[in-house]
Order: sequence, then C-alpha cells, then structure tokens
Amino acid sequence: QKEVEQDPGPLSVPEGAIVSLNCTYSNSAFQYFMWYRQYSRKGPELLMYTYSSGNKEDGRFTAQVDKSSKYISLFIRDSQPSDSATYLCAMRLMDSSYKLIFGSGTRLLVRP
Amino acid sequence: GAVVSQHPSWVICKSGTSVKIECRSLDFQATTMFWYRQFPKQSLMLMATSNEGSKATYEQGVEKDKFLINHASLTLSTLTVTSAHPEDSSFYICSAPGTPYEQYFGPGTRLTVT
Repeated sequence: QKEVEQDPGPLSVPEGAIVSLNCTYSNSAFQYFMWYRQYSRKGPELLMYTYSSGNKEDGRFTAQVDKSSKYISLFIRDSQPSDSATYLCAMRLMDSSYKLIFGSGTRLLVRP
Repeated sequence: GAVVSQHPSWVICKSGTSVKIECRSLDFQATTMFWYRQFPKQSLMLMATSNEGSKATYEQGVEKDKFLINHASLTLSTLTVTSAHPEDSSFYICSAPGTPYEQYFGPGTRLTVT
C-alpha cells in the first residue's frame, strides 16, 4: 500500500464547475499537507498548505484536512480552463528532513 | 518567492554516455536540495537528498553509483547520470526547502537517452 493515494483521473469538468480533488494517506504522523499544481513538463508550484487539521481558503481554492479520517481535499470553485493541470497532494512529517511524500497526481481538464 | 533554476532544460544523449544536470538556488542559500524523477503521467519520486559539504542520502532502490550527486556550494547541486541507458529517460526535478511547508522546485530537466 502506498503511503499517499490519489486518484489519477483524468477529471474533465465544464468551465465554472466546482472541482473536488482528494488524497488519502496511511501515516498518522504526517503534519504538513500541501497541494501543488504542475503544468506539463514544468516543475510543481505550491497552491495551498495546511498544518495539522482544518480548512484554509485562498481565493477560489479551499484546502481541507481531516486527520481522523486521514483524508485531505482541495476544492476549486468557478473552475477556469487555465486550471487545467495535474494536481499533486504532498505531505511531510514535522521533522528536520523536509522530505515530501507525493500522491500520484490527478489530471484535471476544464472544458471551455 | 525564491527561485530555483535547472540546466539544461532538455538533453539528449547516447546510451552509455554520462550527463550532468545542474540545480541552482538563485536568490537564497540551500544547504539541502532534493532530486526527484518523474516518469510520464506519474508522480514525483524522491531519488536523493543532497547536502552541502557532505555525501548525499539516497532513497531505497536508487543506485548511488549511477546517479552521482555533488553539492559543492550553498547554491549549486549537480546530478550526474552515468552510463545512461534508455530506461533512464525521464523528467528530473530538483527542489530546495524554504519554509516548513514549502519547497521551491526547479523547472525540470527532460533527459532522453537514445
């Protein structure tokens, strides 16, 4: 079993739809949870991060962490064609290694 | 935000040759850098942790004699793929940690071995 599981998609939605992206994980010691966006053949860029449990909102993006269920989500409201990319969840322990464990990534396509 | 660059962005080499990929932190110092490999439509797999002034730490299953890592300064880490073979063709990405929740990723290097 992988430490972090993520549905690879692809997920195709019409413009303006609400998108829900999810990851589950097995290591209850993870404390930092991040969402990265990666365009084709580019490096990932950080979208959202959350420490421990709770919700965080930034513009059209909302990140949720449910540590009791070992489940994290990213919601995108009013999705745009420019949101079409691969979304990677990542998480890490609260140690000095800074090592990230990534999900497999979900490919999102927002149709005009 | 902090910028990490990689060079080259794309390299084609013949089987059996070696290729070096550079990763630079442009506006900050990085005592630690990470090297990832990403196959098409797959996630990033951590290959090794590069530490300035000391030996790199390799993840399980990564051949340290094949993927040589040198972190000679606080702004430069290099990954050398020795005796490259077609199965080494991949997208190689480096990163440097900033805050506890953010790593700054380079743009990646596409390696094609013919």
